[in-house]
Amino acid sequence: GIQVEQSPPDLILQEGANSTLRCNFSDSVNNLQWFHQNPWGQLINLFYIPSGTKQNGRLSATTVATERYSLLYISSSQTTDSGVYFCAVSQKLVFGKGTKLTVNP
Amino acid sequence: DTAVSQTPKYLVTQMGNDKSIKCEQNLGHDTMYWYKQDSKKFLKIMFSYNNKELIINETVPNRFSPKSPDKAHLNLHINSLELGDSAVYFCASSQRVTSGRTNIQYFGAGTRLSVL
Repeated sequence: GIQVEQSPPDLILQEGANSTLRCNFSDSVNNLQWFHQNPWGQLINLFYIPSGTKQNGRLSATTVATERYSLLYISSSQTTDSGVYFCAVSQKLVFGKGTKLTVNP
Repeated sequence: DTAVSQTPKYLVTQMGNDKSIKCEQNLGHDTMYWYKQDSKKFLKIMFSYNNKELIINETVPNRFSPKSPDKAHLNLHINSLELGDSAVYFCASSQRVTSGRTNIQYFGAGTRLSVL
């Protein structure tokens, strides 16, 4: 089956810093989503982005489908950005292991 | 007016018991899912139903049986609970992927199951 790898596994930032999270996948996909799981466990859909670039406030995402990777950019990070960020691909959402982000005040 | 709601939020039970988790969505979606998140935060799909019909059935013990009475509801029944069933179970819903439609999945808040 399709493999999804995310990096880095852990990331610690000071408030205000920028960061880039990466998702590599092993096969072509027609569905890629980024999720944020907050410290209370709630999974929030951030982007549906099988290809191209999207922006939503301080967050943006780019997927280069031909090279099988996607990037999530977080600018001017805030403590509320803390949590685990997951990339998931294909209709049955094969998840990566996530990037745990901690933003310190 | 929660979009995808699961009950209960917490479930603590003894090994060998049978329990159910309920899920309802009011988004008008035609596809619903169950996912399991283990203690290492790894998320894996278990089942998916489209219009009450099973379309995805991953390798899951027979003790787990999903039931979809209508397209807005997908319940999960677990027989003879084991210690290894302890996890967070998430329900999700989406539109089924067709031309011009995406299947952005919306998740419930999760049910934390603890088997003692």
